[in-house]
Amino acid sequence: GAVVSQHPSWVICKSGTSVKIECRSLDFQATTMFWYRQFPKQSLMLMATSNEGSKATYEQGVEKDKFLINHASLTLSTLTVTSAHPEDSSFYICSADGPRSSYNEQFFGPGTRLTVL
Amino acid sequence: SQQGEEDPQALSIQEGENATMNCSYKTSINNLQWYRQNSGRGLVHLILIRSNEREKHSGRLRVTLDTSKKSSSLLITASRAADTASYFCATASSGGSNYKLTFGKGTLLTVNP
Repeated sequence: GAVVSQHPSWVICKSGTSVKIECRSLDFQATTMFWYRQFPKQSLMLMATSNEGSKATYEQGVEKDKFLINHASLTLSTLTVTSAHPEDSSFYICSADGPRSSYNEQFFGPGTRLTVL
Repeated sequence: SQQGEEDPQALSIQEGENATMNCSYKTSINNLQWYRQNSGRGLVHLILIRSNEREKHSGRLRVTLDTSKKSSSLLITASRAADTASYFCATASSGGSNYKLTFGKGTLLTVNP
């Protein structure tokens, strides 16, 4: 139980295009989802916290207009990287607040590797 | 300030040996969690230890927490080649949102067969 999927698992795009990444909780409802970015050989950096039905809360230094987050349902959150540039190339990972029995535990998706040419 | 600084950054051991990784943090926490990440993959939750707990076991894993020193350790006993991965500690802070995790830089563990 508590499985989180991401789609796509990897994407290559041209500079200036927009890319949408989906994060789904498959067998539980997630009130809160989180989006992280991870550069090679580095740790995960929280980008934003996404709550179903409300606006996302972005971490300091993360551009809201560049990284659009939509949490339309209790099982789906999307991250859209708008006008992507090579410096946006990274590994994007989402996580979901687990079922109530797993207090404070986040369940992570497999990640999406974005390469911007 | 950076929460969750792991030490060492890289560790190479032989199969069968024990591996110990340490994590230090700076602010008060609600709990501390350890995760594992295989190269290019998502994270797998290993163990969660609450601020009022001092030690926890799960299979070959043993986690300790010393809130007075703001540090935690992860011990993997009888390591296997399949344990090769990066290990991260993450802190969930007290007050405000408990759910926000702050990750350390991680320890790359290599277990040689």
